[in-house]
Amino acid sequence: EVQVVQSGAEVKEPGESLKISCKGSGYKFTSWWIGWLRQMPGKGLEWMGIIYPGDSDTRYIPSFQGQVTISVDKSVNTAYVQWTSLKASDTAMYYCARLDGAHSPDYWGQGTRVTVSS
Amino acid sequence: DIQMTQSPSSLSASVGDRATITCRASQDIRNDLCWYQQKPGEAPKRLIFAASRLHSGVPSRFSGSGSGTEFTLTISSLQPEDFATYFCLQQNTFPYTFGQGTKLDIK
Repeated sequence: EVQVVQSGAEVKEPGESLKISCKGSGYKFTSWWIGWLRQMPGKGLEWMGIIYPGDSDTRYIPSFQGQVTISVDKSVNTAYVQWTSLKASDTAMYYCARLDGAHSPDYWGQGTRVTVSS
Repeated sequence: DIQMTQSPSSLSASVGDRATITCRASQDIRNDLCWYQQKPGEAPKRLIFAASRLHSGVPSRFSGSGSGTEFTLTISSLQPEDFATYFCLQQNTFPYTFGQGTKLDIK
């Protein structure tokens, strides 16, 4: 059974760093792209970027380029997104999803809620 | 970027009604479109992929049609659990883009 499981909720202060994770199981992790998406409170979904675990090929949405880093550790079947200096505007729910062969997100993580507040 | 225009933005209907939601793409995306359902506090769930193919485990009352620039999601007979937000996604050209969403609520 394909499963995508994300790390738990985080509460951080502005300026802090953060790395959240997304673990895939039940399929060959290195053969399927993973996407990261943001959903701000009461809003729709926005793509942040996608990564291919097989070779770490990464594509960022321009508005997120330089703001986050997407990475992967094949040895533990896990993808990550990290921030070096959080802002209050980073408060959101973050989702990862496996992308099928046509890049349609088919299996989603449960979401990681990130709250940035002083 | 490809723009996806989804309509209506909200829809009130009753159990047993037929509901139709439309997405229009700003350019030809072939059949590279999928539909999702999202309930408050939950992750999205894929309903339809490749414009008309039903995701595994999704009830057959959900169907998708269209190709090129015009796409439709139809729910043939609404059930209480179908009241949620629906959105389309084109994955033809990166950056992949979403429709604005349709909130389906009980009349």
